[in-house]
Amino acid sequence: DQQVKQNSPSLSVQEGRISILNCDYTNSMFDYFLWYKKYPAEGPTFLISISSIKDKNEDGRFTVFLNKSAKHLSLHIVPSQPGDSAVYFCAALNSGGSNYKLTFGKGTLLTVNP
Amino acid sequence: EAQVTQNPRYLITVTGKKLTVTCSQNMNHEYMSWYRQDPGLGLRQIYYSMNVEVTDKGDVPEGYKVSRKEKRNFPLILESPSPNQTSLYFCASSRQGINYGYTFGSGTRLTVV
Repeated sequence: DQQVKQNSPSLSVQEGRISILNCDYTNSMFDYFLWYKKYPAEGPTFLISISSIKDKNEDGRFTVFLNKSAKHLSLHIVPSQPGDSAVYFCAALNSGGSNYKLTFGKGTLLTVNP
Repeated sequence: EAQVTQNPRYLITVTGKKLTVTCSQNMNHEYMSWYRQDPGLGLRQIYYSMNVEVTDKGDVPEGYKVSRKEKRNFPLILESPSPNQTSLYFCASSRQGINYGYTFGSGTRLTVV
């Protein structure tokens, strides 16, 4: 049972345009959400997060939007740059759980074309 | 530099030959965890540790062991590796608390033939 879903395995955008990566979750106990970025031959690195008490969090070119009623979040990258080409993982956490465990989606490969 | 260090980065081994993947963090984090990444399956948790001498199973613990004798180290042990354990493994650590997220190591690519 996949609790965090990234339904787009890949996304291709032009440099300078907006990239929108989507993530859906099924577990209503999740109350904290994170995005990680992964380059080949490296470990995932933290990008941005959002608490369920907010609907938007912004950090430079990266903005995460959360729609709790739809159990949906999205990561917007504006403007997209070739260096943003990587696999992006959505992750969710139940902060009240006994295990500080992040549940990850399968990832979306973003390619930004020059 | 704050980091999580895994060794080795690459390993090819034969079925049944015991191996250990080491993981060490220098951030004094309480929480450590092992994940494996497989094509089409994303990152799945193998084992985790909330603190020294406290470990528990994640989602896919079969065929693995861990230990947490010191705060900084969290080795992953495969007593009798099998080909279905061929995967990319990541160790991660974190402070306790929802605002911190994980710091990941660079990964260990294991092939069992």
